[in-house]
Amino acid sequence: AQTVTQSQPEMSVQEAETVTLSCTYDTSESNYYLFWYKQPPSRQMILVIRQEAYKQQNATENRFSVNFQKAAKSFSLKISDSQLGDTAMYFCAFMIQKGGSEKLVFGKGTKLTVNP
Amino acid sequence: DSGVTQTPKHLITATGQRVTLRCSPRSGDLSVYWYQQSLDQGLQFLIQYYNGEERAKGNILERFSAQQFPDLHSELNLSSLELGDSALYFCASSVSVENEKLFFGSGTQLSVL
Repeated sequence: AQTVTQSQPEMSVQEAETVTLSCTYDTSESNYYLFWYKQPPSRQMILVIRQEAYKQQNATENRFSVNFQKAAKSFSLKISDSQLGDTAMYFCAFMIQKGGSEKLVFGKGTKLTVNP
Repeated sequence: DSGVTQTPKHLITATGQRVTLRCSPRSGDLSVYWYQQSLDQGLQFLIQYYNGEERAKGNILERFSAQQFPDLHSELNLSSLELGDSALYFCASSVSVENEKLFFGSGTQLSVL
């Protein structure tokens, strides 16, 4: 079974500082995708960043970057220059495409608060 | 705005009742997914449809059913509702089965009293 673990239920950071959210996962598959989704108080699920497992280069989207360690099955999210609007729940997820079907498996989430 | 429309946004009903949640995917997206988000279970995959056909099933109860219509909108039917069914139900869509980018709707908050 595929599982995703986010070991930090809550985190806080000061505005303009950097914070790293942790995620580990377990799968026996070799080809998969990894994602970080953000869920602000509006409840909308917003894709922050994604990483293809076959790519060694870490994905980057503006202030968001990941540290993907395939052998360790680790996929952490770094948020630089944190902004008040980054306050949200952050979910780590991965997807396997197999047999014409696919599904996202989510972690329990990390609640991030950015303080002014 | 993700382009995925879910209605209604809020639904309050009583135990034992039946409700229908509706989802309109982004224009051109053929694949629709349903997810349930609750405090104790987190985000759980329920079911996936592609171009009208069921493609994958997750932790969907037998009291729940879904379908995708020819115009590609999808409905999730929840029957014999229990207090524990109270949750936020998300629909997501993607262009195809092979496309891993999912776009989520804003969800339907179901409260069973």
